[in-house]
Amino acid sequence: SQQGEEDPQALSIQEGENATMNCSYKTSINNLQWYRQNSGRGLVHLILIRSNEREKHSGRLRVTLDTSKKSSSLLITASRAADTASYFCATAYDYKLSFGAGTTVTVRA
Amino acid sequence: NAGVTQTPKFRVLKTGQSMTLLCAQDMNHEYMYWYRQDPGMGLRLIHYSVGEGTTAKGEVPDGYNVSRLKKQNFLLGLESAAPSQTSVYFCASSPVSGADGELFFGEGSRLTVL
Repeated sequence: SQQGEEDPQALSIQEGENATMNCSYKTSINNLQWYRQNSGRGLVHLILIRSNEREKHSGRLRVTLDTSKKSSSLLITASRAADTASYFCATAYDYKLSFGAGTTVTVRA
Repeated sequence: NAGVTQTPKFRVLKTGQSMTLLCAQDMNHEYMYWYRQDPGMGLRLIHYSVGEGTTAKGEVPDGYNVSRLKKQNFLLGLESAAPSQTSVYFCASSPVSGADGELFFGEGSRLTVL
């Protein structure tokens, strides 16, 4: 299976701190994507990093990809209460995306 | 701009009953997907479609059927519901293959099978 596995399962930080979560996967990928899900809502795409890229930035988000280690990380800088959500990595191959179980991030005011 | 709309949002069924979940997208996307989300298991792909008139099996297709008669609609059917199908179902669409670009998700349909 291509499914990514996020680590940690849960993370609690203070507002203003950085949040880092990791994703590991098993086989070759076309790209890796990160999504956010607020409680009771659908998933929202955050960022896509292609297999030939090593790092990508979008606002307060920084994603890295190490294909030799089959791993990726998502860093959220200067976290806000509105960043409280579950974050999922998704590995892309063929026509499909395979999702991990997610990291639940709680940002305390 | 509605994006991806799922109906119904909530449904309670008895074991053995049938139902259909409707997904409609107004973005003219070719690719559409049905996922289920269960606690601690992330999202698992049930079926997907790469264009009007096409369907394909995903990771967990048993007990479900799908149809894509119109480009904008992707229907997920349960012929004989089982308690194991209690889940939150998400539909998604994309203009290109999920392997190449982002997916756009609906808000989910929460199904309980008693």
